Amino acid sequence: GAVVSQHPSRVICKSGTSVKIECRSLDFQATTMFWYRQFPKKSLMLMATSNEGSKATYEQGVEKDKFLINHASLTLSTLTVTSAHPEDSSFYICSARDPQKGGYTFGSGTRLTVV
Amino acid sequence: KQEVTQIPAALSVPEGENLVLNCSFTDSAIYNLQWFRQDPGKGLTSLLLIQSSQREQTSGRLNASLDKSSGRSTLYIAASQPGDSATYLCAAGYGPVIWGLGTSLAVNP
Repeated sequence: GAVVSQHPSRVICKSGTSVKIECRSLDFQATTMFWYRQFPKKSLMLMATSNEGSKATYEQGVEKDKFLINHASLTLSTLTVTSAHPEDSSFYICSARDPQKGGYTFGSGTRLTVV
Repeated sequence: KQEVTQIPAALSVPEGENLVLNCSFTDSAIYNLQWFRQDPGKGLTSLLLIQSSQREQTSGRLNASLDKSSGRSTLYIAASQPGDSATYLCAAGYGPVIWGLGTSLAVNP
């Protein structure tokens, strides 16, 4: 089945640094990927839609300059958290449409802790 | 506005009980509905996927049903075990996915 690989699974970084999270579709091409974030005691919320070869579409309230999304190939989308702040500590997960089953396949998620 | 609601928010049951988790969605024009499991500090595990044309899916002790007309899905867990303790999330697939808050399940030995 369609597999999305997300790395790293956990990362701790210092305030002010940048962190890159990778999302790869391993056995299929994903022209569109989605990035979600989970706040404490909140549901997963869509941050942005990543489109291969074009600019990402950000949801209202998501800072484009802080959460840089790049979808340079049909199998890779990256989310870079720039100038990380403790409030950016969260669980981030990417997903892509499963071309075989029609549902969505998800990466395993990245737990980011900014200290 | 598309919203997904899960009831109850938390559930604690003794081992061996059969239980039902509920998910409701406001917009019935979904492509599919998925149930996931999230363990503390870990990622998501996909449990069941129901396409909009289907009414239910089964995997082992799990059975999920979908009623688009009423905007509801249920996840039935048979003979619950302590290892089933986790948060269960339902996600309605429109384009991107709209998530519920989850039901936190504790199965006590």
